[in-house]
Amino acid sequence: QQQVKQSPQSLIVQKGGISIINCAYENTAFDYFPWYQQFPGKGPALLIAIRPDVSEKKEGRFTISFNKSAKQFSLHIMDSQPGDSATYFCAARTGSGYSTLTFGKGTMLLVSP
Amino acid sequence: DTEVTQTPKHLVMGMTNKKSLKCEQHMGHRAMYWYKQKAKKPPELMFVYSYEKLSINESVPSRFSPECPNSSLLNLHLHALQPEDSALYLCASSLWGSDTQYFGPGTRLTVL
Repeated sequence: QQQVKQSPQSLIVQKGGISIINCAYENTAFDYFPWYQQFPGKGPALLIAIRPDVSEKKEGRFTISFNKSAKQFSLHIMDSQPGDSATYFCAARTGSGYSTLTFGKGTMLLVSP
Repeated sequence: DTEVTQTPKHLVMGMTNKKSLKCEQHMGHRAMYWYKQKAKKPPELMFVYSYEKLSINESVPSRFSPECPNSSLLNLHLHALQPEDSALYLCASSLWGSDTQYFGPGTRLTVL
């Protein structure tokens, strides 16, 4: 029940295209859903996050869509750029003081020039 | 400033060595975390410290020994590691009661 399922495992998108990564969860105790971007040899960096009472959040070219009834959320990267090539992890959080993150397995995105 | 720093960036050690990883943050975060990340895998939680006390130990072998000497500093002491312990070791921190964890750049550890 703690699992977060992420797809696809890898994704190739043309420059200027839309990248879409999907995640699904089972545990209804999750209360916060961040996306992390990680470049090779670097630590994950928080990209964007959403709470379950919001259906969509947009920051620049990055949008999270959240479907609470389906227990699914997705990351959309508009106008994808070669610099967006990285591994993306969705995560789901529980906890009240410290937080415990359950990560998806990650999606390797390659944006071709 | 949302910076978590980690030293060293790279570490190579033999199986009989003793070494330490260091993590530091000055954001007033009272929750700090150690993760292990293997190639092409998500971060795997090892330890959680809350208010300088160990709150979670995810059944990590005793050759990894965490320490939180003050609210800004987190150490991971390494002893008698195995080659399979080679990985990227990540530190993270979060404000107490907050959702967001901020990760450091990691220490790339190679055990020979």
